[in-house]
Amino acid sequence: DVKVTQSSRYLVKRTGEKVFLECVQDMDHENMFWYRQDPGLGLRLIYFSYDVKMKEKGDIPEGYSVSREKKERFSLILESASTNQTSMYLCASSLAGQIEPQHFGDGTRLSIL
Amino acid sequence: AQSVTQLGSHVSVSEGALVLLRCNYSSSVPPYLFWYVQYPNQGLQLLLKYTSAATLVKGINGFEAEFKKSETSFHLTKPSAHMSDAAEYFCAVRPPSNTGKLIFGQGTTLQVKP
Repeated sequence: DVKVTQSSRYLVKRTGEKVFLECVQDMDHENMFWYRQDPGLGLRLIYFSYDVKMKEKGDIPEGYSVSREKKERFSLILESASTNQTSMYLCASSLAGQIEPQHFGDGTRLSIL
Repeated sequence: AQSVTQLGSHVSVSEGALVLLRCNYSSSVPPYLFWYVQYPNQGLQLLLKYTSAATLVKGINGFEAEFKKSETSFHLTKPSAHMSDAAEYFCAVRPPSNTGKLIFGQGTTLQVKP
């Protein structure tokens, strides 16, 4: 069964901490995505990667960075966590040539106190 | 700029009744359109997509959607609701170019009553 796996379902961190959210996919997909999901706002794209070490900013990249050192792993980094980054974070992947996300992880619910 | 609007944040139907979830888009070029479903405590799954071929698109779990250019709509339907269809549904749009990003609607929560 193909999977996108996010390392944590729930995470609680403090303001100012550096936070790492990890995502791994086992489908050999070229494209990987990070979204945040907020009630009433749908999903908003934070960053997108179409190859190892390649990345593009999405609609809301401020306060975030990403790392893709291996094809199967895409990490989201909150450089200095703030309370307005409390949200559900979703990782997704897709094949090259299919720029919309196809498979999603189950999400990480992040709370910043 | 592209945008998508889902009419109704909550829809409630009885088991066995028709499901109709509404989606309207705004786009300067003919877009690609998508429906995703999110079951409780899970990520999203792609239900179906329109990419300029047949205007009536069939997806998984008995869902289908029809692209209507004159109405700028892409409504999702299912003839008979099952309890297992209770979930949140997202409509999304992007331009047909490979550089266009996907824009999601706000989501519609479907409740199915026994």
